[in-house]
Amino acid sequence: EVQLLESGGGLVQPGGSLRLSCAVSGLSISDRWMDWVRQTPGKGLEWVGRSKNKANSYTTHYAASVEGRFTISRDDSKNSLYLQMNSLKSEDTAVYYCATDRRGSYDYWGQGTLVTVSS
Amino acid sequence: DVVMTQSPLSLPVTLGQPASLSCRSSQSLVYSDGNIYLNWFQQRPGQSPRRLIYQVSKRDSGVPDRFSGSGSGTDFTLKISRVEAEDVGVYYCMQGSHWPPYTFGQGTKLEIK
Repeated sequence: EVQLLESGGGLVQPGGSLRLSCAVSGLSISDRWMDWVRQTPGKGLEWVGRSKNKANSYTTHYAASVEGRFTISRDDSKNSLYLQMNSLKSEDTAVYYCATDRRGSYDYWGQGTLVTVSS
Repeated sequence: DVVMTQSPLSLPVTLGQPASLSCRSSQSLVYSDGNIYLNWFQQRPGQSPRRLIYQVSKRDSGVPDRFSGSGSGTDFTLKISRVEAEDVGVYYCMQGSHWPPYTFGQGTKLEIK
């Protein structure tokens, strides 16, 4: 059974930082593109960013709303994905999901971790 | 970005009755390889999204055959032949043909009447 388990969410003040982790089991991420997606009541589901696989030089891509503030990394040896979030804003408040990309789709999602940015 | 528009936003359905959910894209979702990367996800209360349908009409393993997807170009439909209590939740369409980014519809909330 494939499982994705996010962790690291919590309450942080505006301008602060947080690092999310996504541990994957039952599936090797080494050949997968991995995404972060967030969900808010107001904006719904929103793509945050992508980490491509080794064959694609581990290239990363980001939504314009987080470019320059968020950094995605991965450790294939630990079968894990990470999201470093800096300079957090109130509008970054959301549930953050990691998801495995497969040909224009997400075949697996984590259970999500809540990030709240508030003073 | 491709805009995905779902309708209705709320769908009350009687148990055992059919349901039809619509999703429209702001541009054709035909990819250069000829495939259409249109997906449907179900999000039950308190859960993360779960994929039901990919490439318009391919059902995921374990998804009941009462769920079916259809459509082409810019217009797509998810049909539930007979709604059951476990189908309550929000249904999202998502396009993966034009990236970045993948984009989602705003969701259709299915409830039991």
